Amino acid sequence: DIQMTQSPSSLSASIGDRVTITCRASQSISSYLNWYQQKPGKAPKLLISAASSLQSGVPSGFSGSGSGTDFTLTISSLQPEDFATYYCQQTYSTPPTFGQGTKVEIK
Amino acid sequence: EVQLVESGGDLVQPGGSLRLSCAASGFTFSSYTMSWVRQAPGKGLECVASMKEDGSEEKYVDSVKGRFTISRDNAKKSLYLQMNSLRAEDTAVYYCARGGAIGGFFKHWGQGTVVSVSS
Repeated sequence: DIQMTQSPSSLSASIGDRVTITCRASQSISSYLNWYQQKPGKAPKLLISAASSLQSGVPSGFSGSGSGTDFTLTISSLQPEDFATYYCQQTYSTPPTFGQGTKVEIK
Repeated sequence: EVQLVESGGDLVQPGGSLRLSCAASGFTFSSYTMSWVRQAPGKGLECVASMKEDGSEEKYVDSVKGRFTISRDNAKKSLYLQMNSLRAEDTAVYYCARGGAIGGFFKHWGQGTVVSVSS
């Protein structure tokens, strides 16, 4: 199975900060990489598919990049509603696997 | 509007069995790979099983192979997860999600159903 490793596992940031989360795959996954946001007690929400394709309705402050084994999710200016846990997911092989998550907390 | 509604979660003893169901509406169910994703308390997401749109292929995470069986009834627009030989580590919220195919993504999720394995 393909292992996905996110870093950091958690971070503290302030409103307006630029935040970057990294996801590394244990082997090349081309651009088959998705990003999700999850808030407590809720199902995950798809933010970005195919490494960089922003889903409809997702604020433009979110962006994704990368290919092969290294990927990043960037929040250009952190907003109050962005405090949540973020997961990367590979769909290069099945069943899909997720990173362990990155919890973004208020500083 | 796409809707996925899970049911069947319960408290069960170790070694017991449970069958989860997911009722789908708002899209052509028979055109999509479907998956079960779980989240243990305070932990991350894990896709435990996926099934292709026509039921021709199923995939499982290693930790549930031989114990869990995914199935679907396209006529009833329903997805199922039969869980046998349950263990404490299977305790989680189980989500039904549309997707799971290579190159795909999980755009639509159910609200989740809680499975608790404890004596």
